[in-house]
Order: sequence, then C-alpha cells, then structure tokens
Amino acid sequence: KAGVTQTPRYLIKTRGQQVTLSCSPISGHRSVSWYQQTPGQGLQFLFEYFSETQRNKGNFPGRFSGRQFSNSRSEMNVSTLELGDSALYLCASSLRLAGVYTQYFGPGTRLTVL
Amino acid sequence: QKEVEQDPGPLSVPEGAIVSLNCTYSNSAFQYFMWYRQYSRKGPELLMYTYSSGNKEDGRFTAQVDKSSKYISLFIRDSQPSDSATYLCALENSGGSNYKLTFGKGTLLTVNP
Repeated sequence: KAGVTQTPRYLIKTRGQQVTLSCSPISGHRSVSWYQQTPGQGLQFLFEYFSETQRNKGNFPGRFSGRQFSNSRSEMNVSTLELGDSALYLCASSLRLAGVYTQYFGPGTRLTVL
Repeated sequence: QKEVEQDPGPLSVPEGAIVSLNCTYSNSAFQYFMWYRQYSRKGPELLMYTYSSGNKEDGRFTAQVDKSSKYISLFIRDSQPSDSATYLCALENSGGSNYKLTFGKGTLLTVNP
C-alpha cells in the first residue's frame, strides 16, 4: 500500500509570491490534514479536510488556504509569502474505523522563502 | 502559562532503560491525547492515541493520562537505539467551532547502545 505522498519535496520562493503544495493520501483515507513545522514554533496544525469540506482549522491567517478533491487528494496554498513562512509543511491522512484511529504523515515539503 | 509544556531534553539513556516522557497542559477542554515519534528528516509517526484517563499499552509503549492533574506520560520499556528520535505530545479538544489541536515542542531522546 503506497504511503502519503507530497509534492514537491523542496521549493524555493521569494517574498510576495504564492505557492501550492500537493498531498495524496493513503487509498481509502478521506481525511487529510496539514501542518507547519518550524524550529521556533514546532509543529502547528493548519487545517483538516474530510470529503472535500474543511472540518477543522488552526490559528493561521487567511493567506493559508486549502482544498480537497473528490479523490481525497488535497492542496494547500499560501499567498503573499513572507519570510516567516519558511518551514516544513506536512500533510497526514487518517482513518477512524471501529473506534481505531490511524494516521500517517507524508515526508513533507520544505519551503524556503527568500 | 503555555497551553502545553514539554521538556525539550535532550534525554540520553542506556539501552534497556525505561524512558519516561511527559507533558503538562493547562486547558481542561483537551480530551484526546496523542504521542508521536519523529526521526530526523522524517514526518511524525503516531504511536499512541487515547481519550481517557488511565493507561494504554502497546508493546513496549505505555501512554498514561491523568486529567485531574493535566499530565500525560509516555513510557518506553526496554529502550532500543532505534527509539532515538524526537517525541511529541499532542492534545485535542472535542471539536466544534473552537477546535484546537496543540503539540508540545518535543523531547529529543537518545538511546545509547
């Protein structure tokens, strides 16, 4: 069974640009969540999508947005990039079945904003 | 007071030791508690997920939750060099419009052979 895949793995952008990151979940997982990880702030929750609807949202500005497609693949967009957006962006897919919760993370996209 | 506090370590133990990792929290709305392991340059891996006070065991790992003290722990028995990683706790409330999922900053563990 293929794991969670994220593309691209590395990205360099300049301030003011926008970026779109992609996440393909494990087959059968309908929930995809996104996280930002930095040395200073640690791991922070961005948002979660389930069946094409945003189910939960973290405390990030509106420049961070996402969407989910009918095949459960998800994209995350950051507009008007700032230097502080440099981070590892992780996505995870999850499944809750018969009271058991499973979650798998992708390898992440390393975004550098210059 | 921070919502979730986790000692960053580093923590260094000999192989075979029992490791205790801890987080304290201040928000009593947190109802679900997770522990993740993250190897260097890898995504986190969910180790334990629990939603009640008490102990939950999975192999060499035991998660302990004390809601009255707002204290959660992860115990690793018979620690192995392959357990060397950063361990993060995560706490989640019951959802709704005030959904919150907060991570600890992580504890770096090294198990020496």
